[in-house]
Amino acid sequence: GQSLEQPSEVTAVEGAIVQINCTYQTSGFYGLSWYQQHDGGAPTFLSYNALDGLEETGRFSSFLSRSDSYGYLLLQELQMKDSASYFCAVRVSYGQNFVFGPGTRLSVLP
Amino acid sequence: NAGVTQTPKFQVLKTGQSMTLQCAQDMNHNSMYWYRQDPGMGLRLIYYSASEGTTDKGEVPNGYNVSRLNKREFSLRLESAAPSQTSVYFCASIEVEGELYNEQFFGPGTRLTVL
Repeated sequence: GQSLEQPSEVTAVEGAIVQINCTYQTSGFYGLSWYQQHDGGAPTFLSYNALDGLEETGRFSSFLSRSDSYGYLLLQELQMKDSASYFCAVRVSYGQNFVFGPGTRLSVLP
Repeated sequence: NAGVTQTPKFQVLKTGQSMTLQCAQDMNHNSMYWYRQDPGMGLRLIYYSASEGTTDKGEVPNGYNVSRLNKREFSLRLESAAPSQTSVYFCASIEVEGELYNEQFFGPGTRLTVL
């Protein structure tokens, strides 16, 4: 079976830093993605890690440790517009099959 | 460049009715996907198509059929709708740019209610 775990909710204040963790147990692993979804909207891509280490894109960074089956999304200088749900997703096959985590709802307070 | 488009945006069906959800992408992507998202939940893969002419089952395929009509279009059919199929349906596409980059592009979603 496939299993991804994320915290259900995280709350932080504007300007702070927040880390959203994702642990996975899957039949295969080719990479870990992160997506953002605002209420009523479609998911939008944030990052993808195929190799161990940290990837940085502006205020967002993503980390992967394949030996620990673990990754995280780091959001810096939080803004109100960052309030959304964040999903990790594992590419489980070479044929581009993906499994999504249950999502973490981030609330940014003024 | 519209990206991924889906029709309809909203639909209400009665139990037992059938319908087809349409999806098209104009990015020349090889792989396309259908997901469902229930309230407060993550996305669950229904079917995917790695390339034109091929389709494969995902995590929750029961009650659905798909057709990859051509490289642009991937449709999802509910033959006999059930209340358990009430959900938001997202279509997505991807073009693998090597093994180090994987971005799925999502359509706006179809909100389906089955009474």
